[in-house]
Amino acid sequence: QVQLVQSGAEVKKPGASVKVSCMASGYTFTTYYMHWVRQAPGQGLEWMGIINPSGGSTSYAQKFQGRVTMTRDTSTSTVYMELSSLRSEDTAVYYCARECTGVVMALGYWGQGTLVTVSS
Amino acid sequence: EIVLTQSPGTLSLSPGERATLSCRASQSVSSTFLAWYQQKPGQAPRLLIYGASTRATGIPDRFSGSGSGTDFTLTISRLEPEDFAVYYCQQYGRSPRGFGGGTKVEIK
Repeated sequence: QVQLVQSGAEVKKPGASVKVSCMASGYTFTTYYMHWVRQAPGQGLEWMGIINPSGGSTSYAQKFQGRVTMTRDTSTSTVYMELSSLRSEDTAVYYCARECTGVVMALGYWGQGTLVTVSS
Repeated sequence: EIVLTQSPGTLSLSPGERATLSCRASQSVSSTFLAWYQQKPGQAPRLLIYGASTRATGIPDRFSGSGSGTDFTLTISRLEPEDFAVYYCQQYGRSPRGFGGGTKVEIK
């Protein structure tokens, strides 16, 4: 079965960077696009961007351009999301999520979430 | 950028009642690319509906989606205790693939 397992919670200081991982299993890693979505405490879902695990191409929400980098390692079936210049407003749960299929691009599979806390 | 506005913000209903949730887009969205998700506290979102009206695998038929253009609706025909949660719509036809602000369905 499809599983997305994310790395553990992080506490970072303002100005630092954080790198969250998402290891996929149960399917061919390079077949389906992966997204990153975040959720601040008590708030809604915010789409951050998408990565094609096959070629590594990415597309980011404008809000995060210049601060976010999404990468992948096909040898370990893992995608990464790195966010730099952290500020308190970046405190959130970060999710990776996989598209259902190549045709159905809704997010059918989600990781368990990684809490990133930014605090001095 | 397409902005999705969900209403109401909170819906207070009793088990067995019908829930009607609205998602309005600032520009026309192809119905092929409109999804609904359910999220319970402490859990990741779960896909309910894609393509505006197709239930995802394992989703009970009391959940239904409809709509086109700029107006979409999620209907829960008879609320079960496990349906009390927050619901989000998302358009995934154009980047950024944004979400609505959510509707909380709470027990009255």
